[in-house]
Amino acid sequence: DGGITQSPKYLFRKEGQNVTLSCEQNLNHDAMYWYRQDPGQGLRLIYYSQIVNDFQKGDIAEGYSVSREKKESFPLTVTSAQKNPTAFYLCANRWHGSYEQYFGPGTRLTVT
Amino acid sequence: GNSVTQMEGPVTLSEEAFLTINCTYTATGYPSLFWYVQYPGEGLQLLLKATKADDKGSNKGFEATYRKETTSFHLEKGSVQVSDSAVYFCALSQGYGGSQGNLIFGKGTKLSVKP
Repeated sequence: DGGITQSPKYLFRKEGQNVTLSCEQNLNHDAMYWYRQDPGQGLRLIYYSQIVNDFQKGDIAEGYSVSREKKESFPLTVTSAQKNPTAFYLCANRWHGSYEQYFGPGTRLTVT
Repeated sequence: GNSVTQMEGPVTLSEEAFLTINCTYTATGYPSLFWYVQYPGEGLQLLLKATKADDKGSNKGFEATYRKETTSFHLEKGSVQVSDSAVYFCALSQGYGGSQGNLIFGKGTKLSVKP
């Protein structure tokens, strides 16, 4: 258990609006990650952050932005530039001394 | 580059049947290997892991052995239950630092267990 909270569980937005997904952790883990999951698909990495005030693009960063101003928080903004934003979004964390990641419960975003 | 290939589903079994989900990987060096499970509408949970060759990870009746000679990490359970119905993901990690700490996932295998 990585002590991750993602809110809300379900989120609905109109096309053209930016939306920010919350990811908070209470275990002081250093690294945090955002993934996107589409139906019947595996996970694709959007962004990751190893330390505060630093983050790196993953495989599908276009149309997304992140910030890491505090160790416990790693919010993801889905911008209007993201062509197909409807998906299940998962946040994860990892302690620097371990290999495994721990996942939050996810946020299902629907854009119409 | 690094990759993970797992058997395509869905896999449908009767309760108490034997389960095998195949997973093979391509990686340089000595990656760590994982199995995650995802129940409907939820996030992923770490099921088991192995960090070096010949290690056996086990949890809740599930087992997987890290076979470097065959680059495999197959998931097994001797007697499945209806509650094991979920999607199972095989994954690897190359290390701690930078992008090496990123997980590479297979596409997932959906398991349905019938009473």
